[in-house]
Amino acid sequence: EDKVVQSPLSLVVHEGDTVTLNCSYEVTNFRSLLWYKQEKKAPTFLFMLTSSGIEKKSGRLSSILDKKELFSILNITATQTGDSAVYLCAVEANAGGTSYGKLTFGQGTILTVHP
Amino acid sequence: DTGVSQDPRHKITKRGQNVTFRCDPISEHNRLYWYRQTLGQGPEFLTYFQNEAQLEKSRLLSDRFSAERPKGSFSTLEIQRTEQGDSAMYLCASTLQPNEQFFGPGTRLTVL
Repeated sequence: EDKVVQSPLSLVVHEGDTVTLNCSYEVTNFRSLLWYKQEKKAPTFLFMLTSSGIEKKSGRLSSILDKKELFSILNITATQTGDSAVYLCAVEANAGGTSYGKLTFGQGTILTVHP
Repeated sequence: DTGVSQDPRHKITKRGQNVTFRCDPISEHNRLYWYRQTLGQGPEFLTYFQNEAQLEKSRLLSDRFSAERPKGSFSTLEIQRTEQGDSAMYLCASTLQPNEQFFGPGTRLTVL
């Protein structure tokens, strides 16, 4: 059974701090790893990673994947109060050579940024 | 707003009643997914449609749950004889390819 574990489960920082969120996974026939941000509504897409060692960046957020060690990190620099949210990591696996796109999510990391 | 809509946004029902939720995906998206999310957990996959065909169902989906996607457009998720353990947020997502999924705002179900 596919498994995704995120750490820490919660994190409290002050504005301007840099944070690193971790995601480790066990999945058969890995296809991709995705990061989502969830405020009090539906998850919104941040990054999709398929290759090891290639950093994806969007503003103050960046993410990288290590397919050998089966983990990914999400970095947020110069945090702002608007970054407060639950950050979800999900993996997608191929099923018999076909990808159905079914995502297996981790529990999420609750990030709280204080002014 | 991702373009995926769900209705209703909130539903309160008594144990034993049937409920039906609707999801309208982004119009050109042929793949549609249902997930369930309980407090403090990530979303759990329930079922998947490609066009009108239901191609995968989770073992989480008991016989009381049924989903349809007639004509490959909107989808409905019905829960019969609701139980308190069914209380959760039901999320719908759609995509054109099996990668980035766009999520709707969810339907929050409370079973009393």
